[in-house]
Amino acid sequence: DQQVKQNSPSLSVQEGRISILNCDYTNSMFDYFLWYKKYPAEGPTFLISISSIKDKNEDGRFTVFLNKSAKHLSLHIVPSQPGDSAVYFCAAISGTSYGKLTFGQGTILTVHP
Amino acid sequence: GAVVSQHPSRVICKSGTSVKIECRSLDFQATTMFWYRQFPKQSLMLMATSNEGSKATYEQGVEKDKFLINHASLTLSTLTVTSAHPEDSSFYICSARDSGGALRPLHFGNGTRLTVT
Repeated sequence: DQQVKQNSPSLSVQEGRISILNCDYTNSMFDYFLWYKKYPAEGPTFLISISSIKDKNEDGRFTVFLNKSAKHLSLHIVPSQPGDSAVYFCAAISGTSYGKLTFGQGTILTVHP
Repeated sequence: GAVVSQHPSRVICKSGTSVKIECRSLDFQATTMFWYRQFPKQSLMLMATSNEGSKATYEQGVEKDKFLINHASLTLSTLTVTSAHPEDSSFYICSARDSGGALRPLHFGNGTRLTVT
């Protein structure tokens, strides 16, 4: 039962353009969402998060949007840079799970110069 | 910032042997650490929650006798894969959260690539 889904295994974008990574979830108990970035042979690195009481959170080039009614969130990267090329995981927490993350499958982002 | 160190980064062992993976929080105390496993092209799957000074909590389907977890101090948790078999070959990652509550982001180690021959 995949409670967090990233339906696009990969995304290819030109440098300078916008990258949009999508994530859907099914568990309505999730109330906090995070995006992690992962390079090969390294552990995931925290990128940005959003609480369910918000619909947008922005940090520099990264913005996360949350649509609770659709159980959908997205990560926007503007402008995209070649160094952004990595695997991006969305993850979710419910208040009752004491911090246990449920991850999506990941999306491989490639930013071409 | 907070750093989690995981060792070894890569290990190859023979079937039937045991392998220990260490996870250390370097500049903070972690009462709780999490162990994840990642199969190729799949998501990170939580295996167990490691609690300092008490027994680990295992996720459904994870054999506690096969994946022994010890969280003996506030900065160290170990995962021992006992009597390893080729199907245990995987990427294992630990994570920890510094103080501040359950909503603080997890900090991850760099993972351990286990290959059982």
